Amino acid sequence: GQNIDQPTEMTATEGAIVQINCTYQTSGFNGLFWYQQHAGEAPTFLSYNVLDGLEEKGRFSSFLSRSKGYSYLLLKELQMKDSASYLCAVMDSNYQLIWGAGTKLIIKP
Amino acid sequence: DAGITQSPRHKVTETGTPVTLRCHQTENHRYMYWYRQDPGHGLRLIHYSYGVKDTDKGEVSDGYSVSRSKTEDFLLTLESATSSQTSVYFCAIGGDSGNTIYFGEGSWLTVV
Repeated sequence: GQNIDQPTEMTATEGAIVQINCTYQTSGFNGLFWYQQHAGEAPTFLSYNVLDGLEEKGRFSSFLSRSKGYSYLLLKELQMKDSASYLCAVMDSNYQLIWGAGTKLIIKP
Repeated sequence: DAGITQSPRHKVTETGTPVTLRCHQTENHRYMYWYRQDPGHGLRLIHYSYGVKDTDKGEVSDGYSVSRSKTEDFLLTLESATSSQTSVYFCAIGGDSGNTIYFGEGSWLTVV
């Protein structure tokens, strides 16, 4: 079957760095997405990786290793507004998105 | 913003009544999706559409039907609502050939 695993919850301190991991097993691979979702709101797109390596976008970076079925989202200089759930999703060979259950990130002052 | 609106945004209904949620897009995307999101389950695909009158089932389609008579509108119908269908429903567009998908603001449905 298809499966996406990510930690349920993480806690970090304001100003610090946090890495959220995502491992996947899917039927084919057409890219991996990260979304941010604040409580009571819709998911919003953060990043897309289809080739191995690191994609940097401001304070957020996303890494992909296709051979290991592994990705991580790196958040630097954490701010209180980064408290949210972070969703990992993989697009399979049929261009369908397979979603992880999300990682709730709690930022403490 | 991706030009997606959902209606109604909030609804309380009684068990056994029919409910229709509407998703409207102004982006002319071919693909449209309906998801539900529940604690501990993440996003689960209910139905999706890949064109006018072209729809297919997702992983949790039982108890739901959809229709797409125009490119811009994708309707989700609960023929006879049950308490297990209390959830937040998200419409999404995009995803063609690996493109990013964008979400509507969500519709909170409570079945009492």
